[in-house]
Parts: sequence; C-alpha cells; structure tokens
Amino acid sequence: DIVMSQSPDSLAVSLGERATINCKSSQSVLSSSNGKNYVAWYQQNPGQPPKLLIYWASTRESGVPDRFSGSGSGTDFTLTINSLRAEDVAVYYCQQHFTTPYNFGQGTKLEIK
Amino acid sequence: EVQLVQSGAEVKKPGESLKISCRGSGYTFSTYWIGWVRQMPGKGLEWMGIIYPGDSDTRYNPSFEGQVTISADQSISTAYMQWSGLRASDTAIYYCARHGPWGDAFNIWGQGTMVTVSS
Repeated sequence: DIVMSQSPDSLAVSLGERATINCKSSQSVLSSSNGKNYVAWYQQNPGQPPKLLIYWASTRESGVPDRFSGSGSGTDFTLTINSLRAEDVAVYYCQQHFTTPYNFGQGTKLEIK
Repeated sequence: EVQLVQSGAEVKKPGESLKISCRGSGYTFSTYWIGWVRQMPGKGLEWMGIIYPGDSDTRYNPSFEGQVTISADQSISTAYMQWSGLRASDTAIYYCARHGPWGDAFNIWGQGTMVTVSS
C-alpha cells in the first residue's frame, strides 16, 4: 500500500499570508502512461464532508478559487493557499488516487494566527 | 444536481448487524465508482473501498476486507455498506463519495452517516 504523510500536522498563518502544506507518498504516484501525478487535495470544515480542491496534483476542481494551487511530482507534493481568508480555516487532506487502496494523509489543521 | 444522499444516523449494540445506504441522483449511477470513507471521532479520513455499480466490481482496503461488505443496486441507484457483527470500534461517521469523470478522486460526497455502537 502507498502511505501518504503530511507535514506539518498543524499550522497557523496570518490572514492575507500564504499557507503551505506538504504531502509525501511512500511510492511514486506518477503515471508513465500519461505523465500525470495522481494526488488529490481535500478541505474539510467541522461537521461537513470533505470537499475536493485539487486532483492530478495540480488541476483545480470546478468552482475552487485560484488562491488554491497544487504542485509536485513523483513522491513530493504541496498545497499552497495564497491570500489566506478566515473561511480557509479547515483540515486539509492529501490522497493518492493512483493505486488502491487510495489512502489519505493524516490531515493538516490550518488555523489563523 | 448531482448528489448523494445517505441514510440516517444509527445506534446499535455490539454484535448487531447494520446496512447503511447511499442513493445517487442527477447522473447515471451505474457508470461511476462509489466509495466509502470512515472518519472515527476526531480522526482523519480512511479509504475503505469502492464499487462500480454497473458490474459490482469491488475493491477493498485490506484493512477493512472481511469486516464490511460493499454492494450496490443500480436499479435503485443505491450503494450500501454492511456489517454482520458491529464492534464499539466501528463507531464513526461513514461517508459515501463518487469518483469524478476524469479519474479516481472523490468529487461528490454524501452528507455522512453517524454510526454509534455502544452497549
């Protein structure tokens, strides 16, 4: 199984600043057939189901603000949130969707400083 | 509108059986993989397994295989998760979710079903 490890477990960022969350997979999730990296990012607010933000490591889901961006390749990935807003306070999860089981990272709690 | 609607909260005793449901609407149910995700109280997301309703092809997380059964009835656009003998450690919120049209991440989520197992 591919293990996904996020860092940090929590972080506090000031409003208007940039938040960066890292995710490392135990094996490459880069497809040799299409060159895509199979990593997704989700946002979960308290009491709500997760919401898909990014898939294929860097493709924003429809309706997701362009303040959210994903990057990385192979085994190392990053979610960046620019111009942090109060409504971005949430737990963020990465997930590999390359090979089953499509495991999630442990989550990163984002708070306002 | 594409949506998944899950069955309501359940309170069960250890050893009891349970089947929860997830009904899809607004799309062709049989042509998208549906998965189940567990979230224990205060914890993270755990991928349990997926099913393709069109042919009932099912993939389990080895951590959950044998503990739960995933099924689907495409005639009523509904997926299921069932237990034959619940344990207190099964207490969690269970989400169903649908894969996107482009691949295997979940872009549509149900509202979650809270399952409480307590004597």
